[in-house]
Amino acid sequence: DSGVTQTPKHLITATGQRVTLRCSPRSGDLSVYWYQQSLDQGLQFLIQYYNGEERAKGNILERFSAQQFPDLHSELNLSSLELGDSALYFCASSHSTGAKNIQYFGAGTRLSVL
Amino acid sequence: QKEVEQDPGPLSVPEGAIVSLNCTYSNSAFQYFMWYRQYSRKGPELLMYTYSSGNKEDGRFTAQVDKSSKYISLFIRDSQPSDSATYLCAMSASQGSGGSNYKLTFGKGTLLTVNP
Repeated sequence: DSGVTQTPKHLITATGQRVTLRCSPRSGDLSVYWYQQSLDQGLQFLIQYYNGEERAKGNILERFSAQQFPDLHSELNLSSLELGDSALYFCASSHSTGAKNIQYFGAGTRLSVL
Repeated sequence: QKEVEQDPGPLSVPEGAIVSLNCTYSNSAFQYFMWYRQYSRKGPELLMYTYSSGNKEDGRFTAQVDKSSKYISLFIRDSQPSDSATYLCAMSASQGSGGSNYKLTFGKGTLLTVNP
């Protein structure tokens, strides 16, 4: 068990809908990262939050947004969903003490857009 | 050219074989090198990390980094069917000033199957 908790495990929804994915980081970790993993693209970095502030952005679509709350849990909001958004979404956390950016991953949320 | 290149495989070996998994990279700023193992439909799990060039051993696993060649390897000795998974290399370098925004760049992963 990595200590990173993601809910829900599975999500099935329709195109055009909006969903929220939730992540609780490991105790003491200030950084939260969101990744999307699809079969053809591998693990794609979406966005990072550090202690409530956005710190880095990757290949995140404008339809997607995230935030980190004072208790350090994070939510990833996906709106106007398309079939191509079906993927595994992972959250990772780290203590982020520098380049030694050891990230610990949650079990993921499997999103199916029908 | 992608920052991190990893042969996706699949790689199939008999139980007990020595497995070699590799990644090449182009960004000379990478400082930390990691290997993650991902079982089907599970989250990536950190196996090992190394700093700069050199070797690191942990049980049946050995990680090697050759910064001059921009090449990293993971060796698995006496491979077991339970080692069957996707292995992802990952690397980190600073995105800029400050200590809280070091980006981790992943390879696409190599699918390994160890046959009993």
